[in-house]
Amino acid sequence: GENVEQHPSTLSVQEGDSAVIKCTYSDSASNYFPWYKQELGKGPQLIIDIRSNVGEKKDQRIAVTLNKTAKHFSLHITETQPEDSAVYFCAAVKGAGSYQLTFGKGTKLSVIP
Amino acid sequence: SAVISQKPSRDICQRGTSLTIQCQVDSQVTMMFWYRQQPGQSLTLIATANQGSEATYESGFVIDKFPISRPNLTFSTLTVSNMSPEDSSIYLCSVGGPKGEAFFGQGTRLTVV
Repeated sequence: GENVEQHPSTLSVQEGDSAVIKCTYSDSASNYFPWYKQELGKGPQLIIDIRSNVGEKKDQRIAVTLNKTAKHFSLHITETQPEDSAVYFCAAVKGAGSYQLTFGKGTKLSVIP
Repeated sequence: SAVISQKPSRDICQRGTSLTIQCQVDSQVTMMFWYRQQPGQSLTLIATANQGSEATYESGFVIDKFPISRPNLTFSTLTVSNMSPEDSSIYLCSVGGPKGEAFFGQGTRLTVV
């Protein structure tokens, strides 16, 4: 089955700096890669996603890049703010119409004011 | 995205008892799922809740322990049966979106004592 590795497990950045979280996946058939933000006591919130036919996607301060050949994708957060502090999960989905996500282990991001 | 409501949001239960978690969606959805998130861990898919038929369970999860109902396209329940402290986790309901996305409820935080 699919295996998703996520690094780093914890990340501390100064407010205003950028944060990058990286994930690798094992199954070349995976074609959809969402990112979730989970704040304490809440469920995961979908913040951005990318499909295998696209190399990069951006939404304001967040962006995701995908390298299909290397089987890795990354989340980039620019101009970080204290409210960006949370646990971020990457995931991979195989097959069109499949909603079954394989998650990475998560990255706890702390933005220091 | 659909609004997903879970009840209860948290509970403390005695070992050997059972707890039923409800998931209500504000619109009809084809796909509904249940995930488990053990303390400080990532999310693991328990089962796909199929409307009008038995749920489809992932490896390591069985119907006797986690019976699931899906009486219609907006509602599902997950029961955690004969609980032990190892069942202490966050249980999350998820629904599939129109573009293949997955959205989550706020979760039910279960503590078994």
